[in-house]
This record gives sequence, C-alpha cells and structure tokens, in this order.
Amino acid sequence: GAVVSQHPSWVICKSGTSVKIECRSLDFQATTMFWYRQFPKQSLMLMATSNEGSKATYEQGVEKDKFLINHASLTLSTLTVTSAHPEDSSFYICSASSGIGGDTQYFGPGTRLTVL
Amino acid sequence: GESVGLHLPTLSVQEGDNSIINCAYSNSASDYFIWYKQESGKGPQFIIDIRSNMDKRQGQRVTVLLNKTVKHLSLQIAATQPGDSAVYFCAENILTGGGNKLTFGTGTQLKVEL
Repeated sequence: GAVVSQHPSWVICKSGTSVKIECRSLDFQATTMFWYRQFPKQSLMLMATSNEGSKATYEQGVEKDKFLINHASLTLSTLTVTSAHPEDSSFYICSASSGIGGDTQYFGPGTRLTVL
Repeated sequence: GESVGLHLPTLSVQEGDNSIINCAYSNSASDYFIWYKQESGKGPQFIIDIRSNMDKRQGQRVTVLLNKTVKHLSLQIAATQPGDSAVYFCAENILTGGGNKLTFGTGTQLKVEL
C-alpha cells in the first residue's frame, strides 16, 4: 500500500519551454502533497507544500510563478516548470501524506528534468 | 576549487558487518524522525521512524537511536548486505503553521564491500 507514482520519469526540453510533472497517490487519498528538488549528490530540498483544493505554500526562495503547483484532487498534484532554463535541470520528487496519523510521507520515484 | 555539496560523506563496510550511520538534527522542537534509503535515480524509500518520546526503535535488521539531549540520531544496520548500498538520509519532522514539514539531512553514502 501507499504507492506514489510520478510521470514522466524523465524529460528533456528546450530552454524557454514549460514542463508539467504529475504526482499521483495510487491507493490512498493524499490530503497533502509535497514537492522536492534534488541536485546531484545533494539532499532533498522542499520546494512547496500543497493541500487539496487550496493554494500551495512555497518555501523561501522558490518562485511561485515559475513553479506552478496544482492539487486539484485527492490523488493528483502537478508541478509545472515554466520557461525552463538549464539551471532548472534537477531531480524533482513528490511525496504524499494521507493526513491520517499525520506525519508519514510516501515518496514518488522522481522525475529527472534536463533543460538544454 | 572544491564545490560545496558535491562531496557526500561515505561509509564503507564489509559485507556481514554492522553499519552505523549518524545524523545531527537542528530543531529541538522536532517531534518525529525518519530514516530514508535512496538508490541512484530513485525516490527515497522509508526505512524506519521514531517519535520524540522514544529513544530506540527496532525493525528488521535496523535500529534507530535517538538522543534528544545532543540532537543526534543514528541508524544501525545489522549484517550489512550488498543491497544495502545506497544513500541514507535522516529527516526531522516539524509541525509548522502550514502543517507538517520534513527537513532532510545531508545524507551518507553507504558502500558495502564484498
């Protein structure tokens, strides 16, 4: 149980284009979803927290107009990287929490974004 | 010159030995701690967790120890196997005004030598 999927698993795009990444909780309802970014050989850095039906809360230094997050249902959140640039190339990982028992986050497999 | 963040601490152990991975956390208000294993190109995988009202918790081949006095967490892996090779992260959970939030440690690369 508690499976989280991400799509696509990897994407290559040209500079200036936008890329959408989907995060789905497959067997539970996720009241809260989180988006992280991870650069090579570094730790996960929280970008934003989203609760179903409300606006995402962004961490300091993360541009909300560049990283658009939508959490339209209890099983789906999307992250859109707008006007991507090479410095946005990273491993993007989502996690989901059911809110029952509060704390446990279940992580997706990640999406490797490469911006040329 | 050397770039910050590109040198992950590494622990090398022989197959069959016990591994101990350490983590220092920052916030004394953290109430919940989790160890994750991350293999190359994959998302973090939950290993074991512990709440702040406990100082030890055991799972299958793994034990987590929590010392709140010095804000230190450790993960012990018994009889380390080649499949244990990965990067291990500790994470502390903090309840903020926006809800629960995880802060990850820098990670330790575990290499199991045959």
